[in-house]
Amino acid sequence: AQKVTQAQTEISVVEKEDVTLDCVYETRDTTYYLFWYKQPPSGELVFLIRRNSFDEQNEISGRYSWNFQKSTSSFNFTITASQVVDSAVYFCALSEAGGSQGNLIFGKGTKLSVKP
Amino acid sequence: DSGVTQTPKHLITATGQRVTLRCSPRSGDLSVYWYQQSLDQGLQFLIQYYNGEERAKGNILERFSAQQFPDLHSELNLSSLELGDSALYFCASSPSFTSGRPGAGELFFGEGSRLTVL
Repeated sequence: AQKVTQAQTEISVVEKEDVTLDCVYETRDTTYYLFWYKQPPSGELVFLIRRNSFDEQNEISGRYSWNFQKSTSSFNFTITASQVVDSAVYFCALSEAGGSQGNLIFGKGTKLSVKP
Repeated sequence: DSGVTQTPKHLITATGQRVTLRCSPRSGDLSVYWYQQSLDQGLQFLIQYYNGEERAKGNILERFSAQQFPDLHSELNLSSLELGDSALYFCASSPSFTSGRPGAGELFFGEGSRLTVL
């Protein structure tokens, strides 16, 4: 069965600290996609990244970086030099490309609070 | 701005009532998805439409129904509302090249419709 686990419910850091949000997934498919979304206090869901199961290269986008490791079924997200504007709930999600269910399975989310 | 428009943004109603939530996908996107976000269940997939046809169904209650119209906008109808239906309802769309499979492309979410049932 598909499952996404974000074990960290809440994280609080001080501005400029680095923070890593953990995501562990379960799937029986060999082809799948992983996502991270951000939900700021305003409520909308903002797409951050998509990664397919055949591409294990780490990705960096500004202060954001993602570490995908198939061996441990993890897709962790690191924010470097965090800022107050990074305060949000972050969701990791999984989609099985070959599945009949055309939907994303979301984790419960990690609430990140960045204090000045 | 994701390009997905949802109305209304907020809705307060009473138990037993019926409401309709509306979604306009991004220009050119053929797929529309509905998700429910509640405190206890988190983000749950409800239903997907692709070019007017139902493509996939998730944890959608029988009291809920949806449709996608020829102009590609979608409506989610919630009836016989209960207190537990209070939630944030999101609509999302995905690029047409995915042929209705979200794995090939990311979902773009609207700002959501917050439903409060009193």
